[in-house]
Amino acid sequence: ETGVTQTPRHLVMGMTNKKSLKCEQHLGHNAMYWYKQSAKKPLELMFVYSLEERVENNSVPSRFSPECPNSSHLFLHLHTLQPEDSALYLCASSQGGLAFFGQGTRLTVV
Amino acid sequence: KQEVTQIPAALSVPEGENLVLNCSFTDSAIYNLQWFRQDPGKGLTSLLLIQSSQREQTSGRLNASLDKSSGRSTLYIAASQPGDSATYLCAAFQGAQKLVFGQGTRLTINP
Repeated sequence: ETGVTQTPRHLVMGMTNKKSLKCEQHLGHNAMYWYKQSAKKPLELMFVYSLEERVENNSVPSRFSPECPNSSHLFLHLHTLQPEDSALYLCASSQGGLAFFGQGTRLTVV
Repeated sequence: KQEVTQIPAALSVPEGENLVLNCSFTDSAIYNLQWFRQDPGKGLTSLLLIQSSQREQTSGRLNASLDKSSGRSTLYIAASQPGDSATYLCAAFQGAQKLVFGQGTRLTINP
């Protein structure tokens, strides 16, 4: 248990569906992140929120929409995804230069 | 722009050996450096954090060192065990929030 919880752990969705990934941190951290990890590829940073404001967006397609309603919760809203979006999506939180990760959501787009 | 490199990409050693994993970074102005472990299909588990003012940190059989002047960090694993098999990633903090990851070293310990 890292203090960062992601739900669901597994998700299968069609290309026309809309779904959301949820991340919750119980560490009192002030920054939260979404990363994408595809097979045999390094971690790709998608979004960073600091104090609930988006501070980094690495040219992610608009079919991925993040939301950070408060410092403990982070969502990734998904719509009209493509099969190449199938990957492990990881959430992390950090403060003072120390990061912890959730267990990830394994997303499969069919 | 900070770049983090880990060599080798994969390493296979017999059980019981001591081994060293390497991490290099291009910008020495790092805030902290953190080592993680990732098991297949799982999230990242934090192993060790070295603050920029520190030279090394130890946890059990793991020892991480940091040399900012040369842009290098190493993770030393003593008396390796099959349960140590995983991918090991290093990440440099640029400021307190920007994490830059290496590609990872996939470690296999053979019984």
